[in-house]
Order: sequence, then structure tokens, then C-alpha cells
Amino acid sequence: EPEVTQTPSHQVTQMGQEVILRCVPISNHLYFYWYRQILGQKVEFLVSFYNNEISEKSEIFDDQFSVERPDGSNFTLKIRSTKLEDSAMYFCASNREVRESRRPTQYFGPGTRLTVL
Amino acid sequence: AQKVTQAQTEISVVEKEDVTLDCVYETRDTTYYLFWYKQPPSGELVFLIRRNSFDEQNEISGRYSWNFQKSTSSFNFTITASQVVDSAVYFCALARANSGGYQKVTFGTGTKLQVIP
Repeated sequence: EPEVTQTPSHQVTQMGQEVILRCVPISNHLYFYWYRQILGQKVEFLVSFYNNEISEKSEIFDDQFSVERPDGSNFTLKIRSTKLEDSAMYFCASNREVRESRRPTQYFGPGTRLTVL
Repeated sequence: AQKVTQAQTEISVVEKEDVTLDCVYETRDTTYYLFWYKQPPSGELVFLIRRNSFDEQNEISGRYSWNFQKSTSSFNFTITASQVVDSAVYFCALARANSGGYQKVTFGTGTKLQVIP
């Protein structure tokens, strides 16, 4: 069964450093997302991406964040200067096109746990 | 604005008991999608079900069943004959879909279910 993969599974970084979280969505999917979950809290939407551009972003997704699809398979989330409060689990997700008559599943990756010291 | 409320923060049941997890949502959209996800202690998000707003048919999958009531804006999840492996945090989520992708994805705060042997 196809799956979304994410690397690394755990990233530890110093405050102020840049990090790049990587995701490989399912190959025939067109829509990509990043979510984050601070420990013990709910899952929060960060950004959605389609056709090589951001289609929606939340208020959390400020200028410190950026996303990119550098090639045909990877989808990355970059945090330019990490803060302590960026420590969280980051989930990537993808889906095929959504139509009313079809109900494609949004597949989540296993997550990257980011720890900012 | 969209909102998902899971009023039950934690529930404990004894194995083989039935348990219902409540989810109440708010949206102004006429077409929307509702989801349930399971998050076991290992941390990944496991998709359980997706429901379109125009499809009020209830669904049963094994020991799981879902009751969608548009009139009360609720999408409740029942586990019949609970098992220890059902112990997890369960999230209800709401999204709209525009131009092929899911948008305005909003998660509830989750209900932690503990099934005691």
C-alpha cells in the first residue's frame, strides 16, 4: 500500500538554527499539506500546496516558514530560525483530487519530531 | 469560522464495554467533510473515516460505527466491545474542499481513551 514518508523521524536543533523537514508524498497525489502537533495538544494545519504554490496557510505559518517541492517527489518544510516553541511533531499529508462524488483519503506521514534546545 | 469541539478530554472504560466519543462541529459551509483519526501512543495519525456533509448515512466498520447528525452538527464515534488496543487519542476533524484539495482543516482537541483490561 502506498504511504507518505518523512525524514528524519527525530530532529534536534539549537534555537536560531534552520531546519528542513522532508516528506515524500504518494506519487500520484497532487495536494500536499503540513500540520504540526505540540506535545499533548491538537493537530494544527500549517499550509497546503498545489501546483507548485501555496493554496492556503494558517496564521501559524509566518515568514519563518517556507515550503518547497524541489523535485518531482520531495516536499519540504523549512523553518528559518527555530524557536523553542517550534518544538512539535510535524506531519506531512497528501491526497488526490477531491471531488464530491469521490472521497479521497488524506494520507498522513509518520511525523518528524522536532526538538529545539 | 470553523470549530470542532470534543468535550470529552479523557475517557476510561473497562474492556468489552461500549464507548461513544462525541464530536460537535461548527461551519458556515454547505459542503464539508468530517474525519476521525486515531493517534496511538506511537504518535502516528491513523485515518478511520471520512464523511461528506451531504451523505448522512451512518456507517459501521467492524466494532466501529459513526453517527452523523447534521441537525445537531454532530459526528459521534462508537466503539463496541472495546479492547485494550483501542487505547489512543481520537481526533475529530472538519474540512472544506475547494478546487480539488482539502481546505480550512480544523482538528478537535482530541479525546484520550483508555481501555482497562
